[in-house]
Amino acid sequence: GNSVTQMEGPVTLSEEAFLTINCTYTATGYPSLFWYVQYPGEGLQLLLKATKADDKGSNKGFEATYRKETTSFHLEKGSVQVSDSAVYFCALGPMTNNDMRFGAGTRLTVKP
Amino acid sequence: GAGVSQSPSNKVTEKGKDVELRCDPISGHTALYWYRQSLGQGLEFLIYFQGNSAPDKSGLPSDRFSAERTGGSVSTLTIQRTQQEDSAVYLCASSLGQGSNQPQHFGDGTRLSIL
Repeated sequence: GNSVTQMEGPVTLSEEAFLTINCTYTATGYPSLFWYVQYPGEGLQLLLKATKADDKGSNKGFEATYRKETTSFHLEKGSVQVSDSAVYFCALGPMTNNDMRFGAGTRLTVKP
Repeated sequence: GAGVSQSPSNKVTEKGKDVELRCDPISGHTALYWYRQSLGQGLEFLIYFQGNSAPDKSGLPSDRFSAERTGGSVSTLTIQRTQQEDSAVYLCASSLGQGSNQPQHFGDGTRLSIL
C-alpha cells in the first residue's frame, strides 16, 4: 500500500546549521508530495509541495525535490533559525481512496 | 480570511461518555477530512467528505466513531462510549476539491483526553 517513511527525530541543530529531513515513499501511480509544518501550539500548515517528478517545492528557505528514481522527497534548508523549531510532516497523496498518507513527523529544535 | 475552525480546542471527559467534535471548513472548500494524531504517531486518516457524495469512511477505527457534514459545510465527528485509547488530537482539514495537488488546510485540532 501507499506509505511514507520519515526520518525519526528529534533533531537538534544550532542556528545557521544545514538541515536535511529524509522522506521516502511507496506508492502506485504518481502522487503529489507535501511537507507540512506544525509550530508549537499551532495547527498544521502546508510548507511546500511538488506535483510531479523532478519538481522542486520551496518556501521560507526550505526546499524539497520530487525524486521518482529514489522515491524520495527530502526536506532541506541551508541555514536554520530558532524560529524553524517545529514538527515537520512529509505527506503523499491523496490517492484514489482519498486519504493522504503522513509520516510520523520529525521534531526539529534549533538552539541559538 | 478565516481558516479551518475546530471546537472545542480541548476536551476532557470520562471513559464511556460520548463526545462531539466540530469542524468549520474554509468557505468554498468542498472537501473535508478528519484525522487523528496520537502521541508520537503520524496522522491517521479517519473520514473524507466531498461535496454531496457519500463519505469515505474507510479510516474509522470502530463503529463507535461516526461523522456527518450538514449542508456541505460544518462537520461533526462523534465518538460514542469513549475509551482511553481514543485520547488524541483530532484534526480537521479542508481543500478546494478532490485531487492529488490540492493542498489541505488544517485546523488547530481538538485535544481529547479520556480519563
